[in-house]
Amino acid sequence: EVQLVESGGGLVQPGGSLRLSCEASGSTVSFYSINWVRQAPGKGLEWVSSIGTDTRYIYYADSVKGRFTISRDDAKNVLYLQMSSLRVEDTAVYYCVRLAGAAGNYYFSSWGQGTLVTVSS
Amino acid sequence: SYVLTQPPSVSVAPGQTARITCGGNNIGGKSVHWYQQKPGQAPVLVVYGDSDRPSGIPERFSGSNSGNTATLTISRVEAGDEADYYCQLWDSNGGVFGGGTKLTVL
Repeated sequence: EVQLVESGGGLVQPGGSLRLSCEASGSTVSFYSINWVRQAPGKGLEWVSSIGTDTRYIYYADSVKGRFTISRDDAKNVLYLQMSSLRVEDTAVYYCVRLAGAAGNYYFSSWGQGTLVTVSS
Repeated sequence: SYVLTQPPSVSVAPGQTARITCGGNNIGGKSVHWYQQKPGQAPVLVVYGDSDRPSGIPERFSGSNSGNTATLTISRVEAGDEADYYCQLWDSNGGVFGGGTKLTVL
């Protein structure tokens, strides 16, 4: 199973921006559909965004639509989550996750260790 | 969007069977997946496609799905099974998670 490694988390002020990165250790990130899932402190899991092997297929949760952008740099073998207009409620651990399965039966087969984003003044 | 409902907590004695439910409108017509998350760790997939187990997951973990309820069953519960458990499915809007159930081993 692919090993995913996130980076880029940190402290940012409300209204600010941050870019998270996700690398596939020993593999090629474009081979997989990669998603971001977040978890606020002490709370449950929330799906954030998805990018398919074909980058025409990109989806966002309503809570981040228009503020977050998922993208992939195949030359660098890295996937990104650009986060803008950040809010206090975006504070969470962000996991980079591989999406597996087929239409109607998608699940998250492999998770990174997560990177913490804190939005606070 | 689709809503998945889980009980906040379930308690069971070691060696007994734990059943964690996940409710949703006609969820039996969808494919449900389950994750285990221990404190400070990333979630781990324990059941996918209602009842399949990834390699390395003990046979004690099983799943079922019918009507308006999907169920994760953990047989012969061990202390190491104490964790949060989340159900999940994929709908037209993306990934959907239940609120999570904390399994306590007494």
